[in-house]
Amino acid sequence: EAQVTQNPRYLITVTGKKLTVTCSQNMNHEYMSWYRQDPGLGLRQIYYSMNVEVTDKGDVPEGYKVSRKEKRNFPLILESPSPNQTSLYFCASSRDRGVNGYTFGSGTRLTVV
Amino acid sequence: AQSVTQLDSQVPVFEEAPVELRCNYSSSVSVYLFWYVQYPNQGLQLLLKYLSGSTLVKGINGFEAEFNKSQTSFHLRKPSVHISDTAEYFCAVSDLYGGATNKLIFGTGTLLAVQP
Repeated sequence: EAQVTQNPRYLITVTGKKLTVTCSQNMNHEYMSWYRQDPGLGLRQIYYSMNVEVTDKGDVPEGYKVSRKEKRNFPLILESPSPNQTSLYFCASSRDRGVNGYTFGSGTRLTVV
Repeated sequence: AQSVTQLDSQVPVFEEAPVELRCNYSSSVSVYLFWYVQYPNQGLQLLLKYLSGSTLVKGINGFEAEFNKSQTSFHLRKPSVHISDTAEYFCAVSDLYGGATNKLIFGTGTLLAVQP
C-alpha cells in the first residue's frame, strides 16, 4: 500500500530534550515536506525537500532541522524543543512537486511541557 | 503573498441536506486549487483538485467544487451529506509558477458537522 508513515503518533516530552520524528514514504517520491497544524492557523510548512541532500526552509522553520540522506526518509529534528512547538505535525510527499496533490502521513501529536 | 480564506470555521448540517463550504484565495495569477479532507485522528486526504480546463471539478465521495476566477473562489459542494462526511475540510492553493515545490498554502479549515 502506498503510504507515508510517521512515528511516533503521540509524543510528550520536556523542554530542551532533543527529539526526532521520523517520516518514510514507499512511493519513490522526490518531494517531501513537513507541516505543523495549529487551531485557527491551518497547516504551515516547516521544511521541504526536492530530492536527496536538497532541503530548504518553509514558512516556520525556526527551532527545527531536517535531513534527507535517503529518498524515502525525511526526519524532523527538534534540537531543543519548547512549549510553543506543541502541535500536530504532518509529513507529506509528492511525485510531481505537488501539482497533483500530496500524500500525507497520519500525523504526530507532540506536547512539550 | 498568497493566502486562502475559509470564512466558516464550522458548518452544522443535517444528514441528507446539501452543503457548501466556502473558499476564497488572494492570488490574481494562475493557480492550482485543492480541497483536502481530514477525518478524526487521520492525516489529510486529497478530495479534489483544479489544475486547468473545466471549472466544475468532481472529486471523491460525491463532492464537487467550482472554480470561479473572477471571484477568486473555489467553493466545495455536496448535494446530500452523510454522517460519515463529518470531518475537517481544508482548501489549499498553489501558484502555477510557485517555484521548486509548488508549495501549498492552506486555509484554516472548516469543520463539517453532520447531524442525524
